[in-house]
Amino acid sequence: KAGVTQTPRYLIKTRGQQVTLSCSPISGHRSVSWYQQTPGQGLQFLFEYFSETQRNKGNFPGRFSGRQFSNSRSEMNVSTLELGDSALYLCASSPRQGGPNEQFFGPGTRLTVL
Amino acid sequence: AQTVTQSQPEMSVQEAETVTLSCTYDTSESDYYLFWYKQPPSRQMILVIRQEAYKQQNATENRFSVNFQKAAKSFSLKISDSQLGDAAMYFCAYRSASPGGGADGLTFGKGTHLIIQP
Repeated sequence: KAGVTQTPRYLIKTRGQQVTLSCSPISGHRSVSWYQQTPGQGLQFLFEYFSETQRNKGNFPGRFSGRQFSNSRSEMNVSTLELGDSALYLCASSPRQGGPNEQFFGPGTRLTVL
Repeated sequence: AQTVTQSQPEMSVQEAETVTLSCTYDTSESDYYLFWYKQPPSRQMILVIRQEAYKQQNATENRFSVNFQKAAKSFSLKISDSQLGDAAMYFCAYRSASPGGGADGLTFGKGTHLIIQP
């Protein structure tokens, strides 16, 4: 079974631009979560989608948004990029929402904002 | 809001020895889940072990075991017979068991960088 895939793997943008990151979960997984990883703040939860609906949201500004499609693939969008948005963005999928379910992580998208 | 603290930024252990990584957390909830995730240098994070707070018995997965002290809000990871492949960042994580499956997703600690000395 293929693992979680994220595209692109690397991205360079300038301040003020917007960016869209994509995540394909493991086949059969319906829950997709997004995390931001930075050296200073560590790993922070962005949001979780299940059955095309956002179920949970972390403490991030409205510039960060996401969606999930009927095939469970998910995208996250960051508008009006700031330097502080430079980070590794990790996607994780799970068969079901929340609970003790293991989250399977992708390799991440490294976003650099100049 | 819950917080997770890993007080050891870096640990070093000789191959074949045993090492314990510390994790404490703060929560007002009585039901939750705790996890240890491993992030090797290749960056893909994988689950090492999980513990459900209502279970008194400590979880064990081969060479990995936890010491779960609910009253002390402590959740340490013990790695026995350390191997070179265990070298990685280790993250302790918390998830609420509240209805809806955890309003805040996984809450991670800052991580412990584990070095294995050959």
